[in-house]
Amino acid sequence: EDQVTQSPEALRLQEGESSSLNCSYTVSGLRGLFWYRQDPGKGPEFLFTLYSAGEEKEKERLKATLTKKESFLHITAPKPEDSATYLCAFPSYNTDKLIFGTGTRLQVFP
Amino acid sequence: DVKVTQSSRYLVKRTGEKVFLECVQDMDHENMFWYRQDPGLGLRLIYFSYDVKMKEKGDIPEGYSVSREKKERFSLILESASTNQTSMYLCASSFGSTGQETQYFGPGTRLLVL
Repeated sequence: EDQVTQSPEALRLQEGESSSLNCSYTVSGLRGLFWYRQDPGKGPEFLFTLYSAGEEKEKERLKATLTKKESFLHITAPKPEDSATYLCAFPSYNTDKLIFGTGTRLQVFP
Repeated sequence: DVKVTQSSRYLVKRTGEKVFLECVQDMDHENMFWYRQDPGLGLRLIYFSYDVKMKEKGDIPEGYSVSREKKERFSLILESASTNQTSMYLCASSFGSTGQETQYFGPGTRLLVL
């Protein structure tokens, strides 16, 4: 059965304190992995798509990486405006549906 | 930029009412989706559509129906609202047919059923 797990559930960082969020998955054949950012009360905002192990993508202070079993979202020198819930998702191998993790709630304090 | 809009940001309805949630996308996407999001449960797929007048059940279709009469518009209908349908409802759209395409989300509708 296709599954995705995100950790930690919640993360509190001081401004400038770099860290990583994890998305681990079990899927028959990975056909892509998506990262989204969601602010409270709003819809998820697309960040990255990764398609193959070893691939990396960057946007401002965020860098997403992908291995055969997990993806990391690295946050370098975060700022308070990076506070949000970060979701990962991948297409189920058999059904074409996106399987979402429950997210990591990031809080960055000044 | 991809734009997905939803008809309401907040709705308050009574138990038993029929509720319509509208979603419109302006990027000529073939695929449209309705999710609900609840704390601790993540996003769960209610219904989706790969083309006009087509619909497929997601993981939790009970108590819901959908309508897609035009390519850009996808409506979610709660036939008889119940308190356990209080939730955040999210619409999304994507282009293509491989199942690997990025889904773009609307701002969400927070529904409270009293």
